[in-house]
Amino acid sequence: AQKITQTQPGMFVQEKEAVTLDCTYDTSDPSYGLFWYKQPSSGEMIFLIYQGSYDQQNATEGRYSLNFQKARKSANLVISASQLGDSAMYFCAMSSALIGNEKLTFGTGTRLTIIP
Amino acid sequence: GAGVSQSPSNKVTEKGKDVELRCDPISGHTALYWYRQSLGQGLEFLIYFQGNSAPDKSGLPSDRFSAERTGGSVSTLTIQRTQQEDSAVYLCASSLVGTAGAEKLFFGSGTQLSVL
Repeated sequence: AQKITQTQPGMFVQEKEAVTLDCTYDTSDPSYGLFWYKQPSSGEMIFLIYQGSYDQQNATEGRYSLNFQKARKSANLVISASQLGDSAMYFCAMSSALIGNEKLTFGTGTRLTIIP
Repeated sequence: GAGVSQSPSNKVTEKGKDVELRCDPISGHTALYWYRQSLGQGLEFLIYFQGNSAPDKSGLPSDRFSAERTGGSVSTLTIQRTQQEDSAVYLCASSLVGTAGAEKLFFGSGTQLSVL
């Protein structure tokens, strides 16, 4: 079974500062995918970034980067130069890389608040 | 619209009544997922449809829950004899199944179900 742990229920960060959201995972699958989703107050889940377990380099998408440390089973999200619009819930998730098993397992989320 | 559409956006029902929640996925997406998000919690997988394959129902919490997908497109999640613990946001997502593990899910805005 897969498990995602997000230990920060809430974070407050000053605008324009960088922020790191923690995520650790546990799985027995030899290959897997790691994801981060953003959920603003509107409720819709927005895909941010993806990292495959065999990817050698950390994934980056604009201001988002995923700090992937396989040996430590961590997949922290780094947001550079935070903006007020970054205030939202952030969920870490993982999937098995096996064909036909694409459902995601989510963590409990971190509520990020950007302070002007 | 181009996104995943869910209806109704809000549903209030009395304990013991049946409810139906509808999801219109993005046109052409072969995979469709239902998740449940209880207040302050992460997303809980319910059911997954992929093309013509038998659905993965492993996340359905009880036999009061069922779902169908007609014509490979629209899906309906039915909850029979609703209980107060069924109160949650029910999220639908769709995706194009491609590289294993690279499931970028597109979510709808959800249906807020309240059972009185």
